[in-house]
Amino acid sequence: QVQLVQSGAEVKKPGSSVKVSCETSGDTFSRFGISWLRQAPGQGLQWMGGIIPRFGIANYAQKFQGRVRITADESSNIVHMELRTLRYDDTAVYFCARAEYGDYGSGIFYFYAIDVWGQGTTVTVSS
Amino acid sequence: EIVLTQSPGALSLSPGQRATLSCRTSQSVGSNYLAWYQQKPGQSPRLLIYLASDRATGIPDRFSGSGSGTDFTLTISRLEPEDSAMYYCQHYGSPLSITFGQGTRLEIK
Repeated sequence: QVQLVQSGAEVKKPGSSVKVSCETSGDTFSRFGISWLRQAPGQGLQWMGGIIPRFGIANYAQKFQGRVRITADESSNIVHMELRTLRYDDTAVYFCARAEYGDYGSGIFYFYAIDVWGQGTTVTVSS
Repeated sequence: EIVLTQSPGALSLSPGQRATLSCRTSQSVGSNYLAWYQQKPGQSPRLLIYLASDRATGIPDRFSGSGSGTDFTLTISRLEPEDSAMYYCQHYGSPLSITFGQGTRLEIK
């Protein structure tokens, strides 16, 4: 059974950065896209950005542009999400998630529905 | 960016009843790129429906999706206690972008 295994909970101070990892399988790395989403306490799901590991192409939600970076390490089949300049309202559960992708041509990719989710990583921003 | 609006915000029904959850989009959804997810407290979401009406692997046929354009519906027939959860609709298909509705809380009592 396909699994996405995320790194453990983090407690960070405001203004610092956090890096969360998502371990995938080789098949996932070559055939699927990986998104990062978050869910603040009692709130809904928010897409932060995603990457096509095979091509190293990433895109980010406008809300997080300039503050988030998603990278894929082909040697370890791990996708990382780094969020910088943390604020108190970044406290949330962060999920990685897998989806097939399509190609509109000219290097423009899109995701299909998410079929596999990681277990979630709690990030707490506290002074 | 397409905005998804779900209604009602919360729903309380009895076992055996039928639940009808709505998702309206601010623009027409091409290729019916609309999915539904179920999320129980403390768990990751689970894919129920994709392409507006296709059930994901292992999802009981009590769950069905319908709709096109800007109006989509998730119907859960013969409700069971374990159907208590949050339900989210999601639009995909935009270039490397995904958007969610705010969710509907379903309580089975």
